[in-house]
Amino acid sequence: DQQVKQNSPSLSVQEGRISILNCDYTNSMFDYFLWYKKYPAEGPTFLISISSIKDKNEDGRFTVFLNKSAKHLSLHIVPSQPGDSAVYFCAASQGSARQLTFGSGTQLTVLP
Amino acid sequence: KAGVTQTPRYLIKTRGQQVTLSCSPISGHRSVSWYQQTPGQGLQFLFEYFSETQRNKGNFPGRFSGRQFSNSRSEMNVSTLELGDSALYLCASSPDSGLNTGELFFGEGSRLTVL
Repeated sequence: DQQVKQNSPSLSVQEGRISILNCDYTNSMFDYFLWYKKYPAEGPTFLISISSIKDKNEDGRFTVFLNKSAKHLSLHIVPSQPGDSAVYFCAASQGSARQLTFGSGTQLTVLP
Repeated sequence: KAGVTQTPRYLIKTRGQQVTLSCSPISGHRSVSWYQQTPGQGLQFLFEYFSETQRNKGNFPGRFSGRQFSNSRSEMNVSTLELGDSALYLCASSPDSGLNTGELFFGEGSRLTVL
């Protein structure tokens, strides 16, 4: 049973436009959500996170939106840059546990 | 500050053998977690150690084990290797056990191939 789902394996966006990556979850006990970016041959790097008590968190070009009623979160990247091309993982955690449940990832390609 | 260091980066084993992977966390980080990444299953949690104690364990068979030393360095061991154990094994550290910001700092991983 996949508790965190990223239904789009890939996404292509033109440079300068907005990239929107989506993630759905089924476990209502999750209370912290994160996005990680992964380049080939590297470990995932933390991008941005949001607590379940918020519905939006912004950091520069990156904004994460959380819709608890729909159990849905999204990552917006504006403007998209070629260096953003990577696999993006959505992850969730519950309580104080350091255990993250990851989605399967979305390959973002930003075209110059 | 040095990042999370994993050794070896690449290794090849045959079925039935056992393997030990090592992880040195970021200095000052006391929590170390291990994840397995495969094309079919994505990133899956193996276990987490804090102060030399296993605090959480994922849904993996007993062939997968780990430990943490007093300097926070961690090792994971897989015994009786199977073909399906071929994966990228990622170690991650985090600075604080109490406040869960969820942010983990990952190493580059150890790529295990089982023939």
